[in-house]
Amino acid sequence: DQQVKQNSPSLSVQEGRISILNCDYTNSMFDYFLWYKKYPAEGPTFLISISSIKDKNEDGRFTVFLNKSAKHLSLHIVPSQPGDSAVYFCAASAVGGHETSGSRLTFGEGTQLTVNP
Amino acid sequence: GAGVSQSPSNKVTEKGKDVELRCDPISGHTALYWYRQSLGQGLEFLIYFQGNSAPDKSGLPSDRFSAERTGGSVSTLTIQRTQQEDSAVYLCASSRDRDNEQFFGPGTRLTVL
Repeated sequence: DQQVKQNSPSLSVQEGRISILNCDYTNSMFDYFLWYKKYPAEGPTFLISISSIKDKNEDGRFTVFLNKSAKHLSLHIVPSQPGDSAVYFCAASAVGGHETSGSRLTFGEGTQLTVNP
Repeated sequence: GAGVSQSPSNKVTEKGKDVELRCDPISGHTALYWYRQSLGQGLEFLIYFQGNSAPDKSGLPSDRFSAERTGGSVSTLTIQRTQQEDSAVYLCASSRDRDNEQFFGPGTRLTVL
């Protein structure tokens, strides 16, 4: 079963506007959430994360919001820039399994963001 | 400093052959993870190493898949008797410890004909 889901395979926005990428999860044991950004032929690079004890984390143009009751998180990028065009992956990890599972990440399918100049 | 490196970057093989994929983690990183990304899918966890031990192998899809890590550093993922469904990008990640941010390598694109 798909425990982390990104329902939008693609998103296109205009430069300067806000990009909102969404992610839903089903496993209530997840307590740490991350967003990764991936360019073609490169590995994913860490962007921003949030712990389940928070509902918002901000880093420059990037803000992640977490709604635990809805099991939903979103990444806001504002203002969007053409260099932000990439595939964005939502990922989650669970507490309690760290002894045996480390911080194994469960990923969504990714959303291709295109920012048009 | 040097990031995570993987080799080869691309591998084309014939069905039934064995392949070895290599990962060089960031120096000093004790945790190492293998993931794979099939076409149109998200990254799928395969195996986790803490040092040279693999406490979690639950993501390996079949007994044709194995991995080892030596010297707390380099890891090798081996796929025996490859099948077409093994075609994917195989990604390695490392972190300083099990609870830290994971740094990914560029991946190995495996194509099984």
